[in-house]
Amino acid sequence: GDSVTQMEGPVTLSEEAFLTINCTYTATGYPSLFWYVQYPGEGLQLLLKATKADDKGSNKGFEATYRKETTSFHLEKGSVQVSDSAVYFCALTDPWDNQGGKLIFGQGTELSVKP
Amino acid sequence: EAQVTQNPRYLITVTGKKLTVTCSQNMNHEYMSWYRQDPGLGLRQIYYSMNVEVTDKGDVPEGYKVSRKEKRNFPLILESPSPNQTSLYFCASSPVRGTLLNEQYFGPGTRLTVT
Repeated sequence: GDSVTQMEGPVTLSEEAFLTINCTYTATGYPSLFWYVQYPGEGLQLLLKATKADDKGSNKGFEATYRKETTSFHLEKGSVQVSDSAVYFCALTDPWDNQGGKLIFGQGTELSVKP
Repeated sequence: EAQVTQNPRYLITVTGKKLTVTCSQNMNHEYMSWYRQDPGLGLRQIYYSMNVEVTDKGDVPEGYKVSRKEKRNFPLILESPSPNQTSLYFCASSPVRGTLLNEQYFGPGTRLTVT
């Protein structure tokens, strides 16, 4: 079945450092890809999304490009801030599944940014 | 304010004592879903509902029940909770499946501990 694999955390960075969180997926169809963020004590919020190959999603300085050839959707940010400390989830939905929009999540990567 | 609400936010209970976690959304969304979040496993879908009176199993439905009598509400019922149901639970909603591009909106989570 479909699956998502993220890099292990926690990731600890200094403020203004460059961030990459790796995400690869396995899917039988042509999935839509998402990054969700979970701030401490809160629910998940959509950070960005991409729906077809070579699409780039971006929001709040974060970017991710849908790479079909490498089945990847790595999250990047050029200069992280303390306020970016959170857990980041890569996820997909498969338009051909029969469970209407089910999100399949990776295990999450915790990011901690130090001043 | 558009939101998904869950109650209670925290619950400690004992094995076998029936409980209900409520979920309500005010966005007129057709699709609602329950997920559980466990360390190292990300979020996994328990049940979902495409519309009123339409519910179906997700990936980990054992030990749970749901109902969808009204569009806005989607309660999660644990008839006889067991310690392996100790987890963080999230309710989510989104507009119709027809556009899988739509993000899912998550509630703040319910942390359940079963002793």
